[in-house]
Amino acid sequence: AQSVSQHNHHVILSEAASLELGCNYSYGGTVNLFWYVQYPGQHLQLLLKYFSGDPLVKGIKGFEAEFIKSKFSFNLRKPSVQWSDTAEYFCAVNRGSQGNLIFGKGTKLSVKP
Amino acid sequence: GAVVSQHPSWVICKSGTSVKIECRSLDFQATTMFWYRQFPKQSLMLMATSNEGSKATYEQGVEKDKFLINHASLTLSTLTVTSAHPEDSSFYICSARIRVGSYNEQFFGPGTRLTVL
Repeated sequence: AQSVSQHNHHVILSEAASLELGCNYSYGGTVNLFWYVQYPGQHLQLLLKYFSGDPLVKGIKGFEAEFIKSKFSFNLRKPSVQWSDTAEYFCAVNRGSQGNLIFGKGTKLSVKP
Repeated sequence: GAVVSQHPSWVICKSGTSVKIECRSLDFQATTMFWYRQFPKQSLMLMATSNEGSKATYEQGVEKDKFLINHASLTLSTLTVTSAHPEDSSFYICSARIRVGSYNEQFFGPGTRLTVL
């Protein structure tokens, strides 16, 4: 079945630690890849996206993600997290320009001050 | 980015009643909107795709007679939960798709928390 897998359900880090959240998908062919963030009590916001070109994409708030086609992965990274990064992070994939977004189950990030 | 609003943000209703949730694109027109349902600690599950001027396309397992979707204009889609039951309690999120350059992007509303007593 087509799916998006996020490996970590809950990640707890101290401030200034580095972050990497895993995301793998199971589709072949052309895909568009997204990371969304949902801060407590707020709506989903787009962090970054990959459509084509440079597989290393930079998003808002210092986040970046790398698309590795051979591994079907799109991991999210941040060199130094802040307490304000505490949120839930969702990886999403769609196939081509008309496909629907398929979401992973999300990873809750808790950053200790 | 584009702004999508939802109303109400939360609603509590009695079992057996119907609840209507509105989704609006505030500063753009959206021919396509999506309705998702999010259970606690789980992902967003697509319920249906709402196309302006035509019938919604429902995902497998979603009862179209229970979750009525109307996309009456390019800026408004509504989801009506008919004869709601406690198991319908959930977080409902809509999104609107917009063309950005040569790609489509989705912008999400803040969600509506439905509690059915």
